[in-house]
Amino acid sequence: GENVEQHPSTLSVQEGDSAVIKCTYSDSASNYFPWYKQELGKGPQLIIDIRSNVGEKKDQRIAVTLNKTAKHFSLHITETQPEDSAVYFCAASPRGNNRLAFGKGNQVVVIP
Amino acid sequence: NAGVTQTPKFRILKIGQSMTLQCTQDMNHNYMYWYRQDPGMGLKLIYYSVGAGITDKGEVPNGYNVSRSTTEDFPLRLELAAPSQTSVYFCASRASGGGGRIADTQYFGPGTRLTVL
Repeated sequence: GENVEQHPSTLSVQEGDSAVIKCTYSDSASNYFPWYKQELGKGPQLIIDIRSNVGEKKDQRIAVTLNKTAKHFSLHITETQPEDSAVYFCAASPRGNNRLAFGKGNQVVVIP
Repeated sequence: NAGVTQTPKFRILKIGQSMTLQCTQDMNHNYMYWYRQDPGMGLKLIYYSVGAGITDKGEVPNGYNVSRSTTEDFPLRLELAAPSQTSVYFCASRASGGGGRIADTQYFGPGTRLTVL
């Protein structure tokens, strides 16, 4: 099955700087790649997703890029703010599969 | 819409006790999922369902059972609680695709924190 890995496990950034989290996946048939944000004590919430027919997608301060050849995708957060502090999960799903394979998560800490 | 709701929020069980974690969604989603989240380990799929009356095992189904008698509800049953089942449990749901629609987004509930002592 699909195997998703995230790096780094913890990331600390100064407020206003950019944060980048990278994920790799193993199944070349995967075609859907969401990113979830989990705040303390809450369930994960989708913040952005990308499909394999697109190389980049942006939504205000967040963007996701996909490199199908290298089988990796990255989350980019610009102008970080304290409310961006959370755990971020990437996931992947092969075409026609009803399930998501999640990475282990990245703890992002934005230092004011 | 309330989205995905889970009860209880917290529970402490003794070894060998049983309990049911409740999950309800009001979005008329066909697909529902149960995950467990252990520290530093991400989300592991326990069971999932693609519609009422249909359930299937995920990565870590041992020690759990599910049923899906209605579209809205997807309860998770622990029959003989063990310390290894101490975790945070999340229920999620998503719409089904078809007809040219893509419906991959999973919506998560707030979670149930379970401790087995």
